[in-house]
Amino acid sequence: NAGVMQNPRHLVRRRGQEARLRCSPMKGHSHVYWYRQLPEEGLKFMVYLQKENIIDESGMPKERFSAEFPKEGPSILRIQQVVRGDSAAYFCASSPLQGREQYFGPGTRLTVT
Amino acid sequence: AQRVTQPEKLLSVFKGAPVELKCNYSYSGSPELFWYVQYSRQRLQLLLRHISRESIKGFTADLNKGETSFHLKKPFAQEEDSAMYYCALSPQSGYALNFGKGTSLLVTP
Repeated sequence: NAGVMQNPRHLVRRRGQEARLRCSPMKGHSHVYWYRQLPEEGLKFMVYLQKENIIDESGMPKERFSAEFPKEGPSILRIQQVVRGDSAAYFCASSPLQGREQYFGPGTRLTVT
Repeated sequence: AQRVTQPEKLLSVFKGAPVELKCNYSYSGSPELFWYVQYSRQRLQLLLRHISRESIKGFTADLNKGETSFHLKKPFAQEEDSAMYYCALSPQSGYALNFGKGTSLLVTP
């Protein structure tokens, strides 16, 4: 099992562009979680998804951010019209069931110039 | 509101010395507490969770509800313990983890 995969590992975007971050959960895992780590901060929960459903997006900024986990393919975190404050490390985790151990991916480091 | 506080950004100890990484939390209900570890160039991984009451790699952590603490302890630190350690909290039977800022542990020979 290759573990949770995230790509790209590093992403550079200019202000106003869109950023798309991908997360492939571990085999057999249907629960995906996204976290953001700002510089000098701990990871903060953003959104929890199951296949084709957003279960909890209470940690997502109200504007410009969206997430999906389609029936086929990876989960996508999309940030429209990026700003400098979006520069952070974005981590994805997956679990086989809700409340079970979350396995983390290596993260995507987004830099907005 | 949930809050996890790790007061030490960096902790340096000698090999063989005891180590304690502090974690305090605030939460109105009954939380689940975790310790995660990130070794150099590796991904974040679960070290232990309070409900399992295990000892992993010689580390233990006891949930003290009176002091709202979940300190991580090891009696004899090893060089391979050098890593970033994060304390995390989630609502009971929940899923959203709330992490502290982390403590970088450096074990020197």
